[in-house]
Amino acid sequence: DAGITQSPRHKVTETGTPVTLRCHQTENHRYMYWYRQDPGHGLRLIHYSYGVKDTDKGEVSDGYSVSRSKTEDFLLTLESATSSQTSVYFCAISEGTSFDEQFFGPGTRLTVL
Amino acid sequence: AQSVTQLGSHVSVSEGALVLLRCNYSSSVPPYLFWYVQYPNQGLQLLLKYTSAATLVKGINGFEAEFKKSETSFHLTKPSAHMSDAAEYFCAVSVWGGSQGNLIFGKGTKLSVKP
Repeated sequence: DAGITQSPRHKVTETGTPVTLRCHQTENHRYMYWYRQDPGHGLRLIHYSYGVKDTDKGEVSDGYSVSRSKTEDFLLTLESATSSQTSVYFCAISEGTSFDEQFFGPGTRLTVL
Repeated sequence: AQSVTQLGSHVSVSEGALVLLRCNYSSSVPPYLFWYVQYPNQGLQLLLKYTSAATLVKGINGFEAEFKKSETSFHLTKPSAHMSDAAEYFCAVSVWGGSQGNLIFGKGTKLSVKP
């Protein structure tokens, strides 16, 4: 299994509070991704990173920010959590070419009350 | 723009029966295509991928998929379902550039296997 960990694995928070999710990899892959998974929507890309301090928006980036200060860590921040951000969040990594697979972390289940 | 459509959000088969999960793609350039599987409360793992080397692609756990350009399809099959195949399956197409990152996923098909 690819060395990807996510923390925390479960979190319950209240509307309006900031939340940071962490993804850590030991594979030295260049690309890292944050997705959210919701029933009936599959996986939707939030943000991705193609190198240290290089990030770009995905399909559903509103309300989220990211940072990558080291190759191995990719942080996802909800500045002010809303109930619509209740979801399962997955981090993924890849070498980055079009035919490379992405390796997924175990996910973080976030509930915003 | 690239997109993926998975026909059928739920598929139910009997143990030992053929599994067929459908995926159609839209792409203006030759695509790279992937099938992922997700077991309950886990992340996704790769079943197989098409990268133009061969149109029939064999994956793990006895699954295979055939790329048909004329039908823009990449359906996933397994000759004989096993109880352990119960999971959710996602088809994905690779894109490059723009703001969509690397993979576009379908909405998923949940496979149930009846004893």
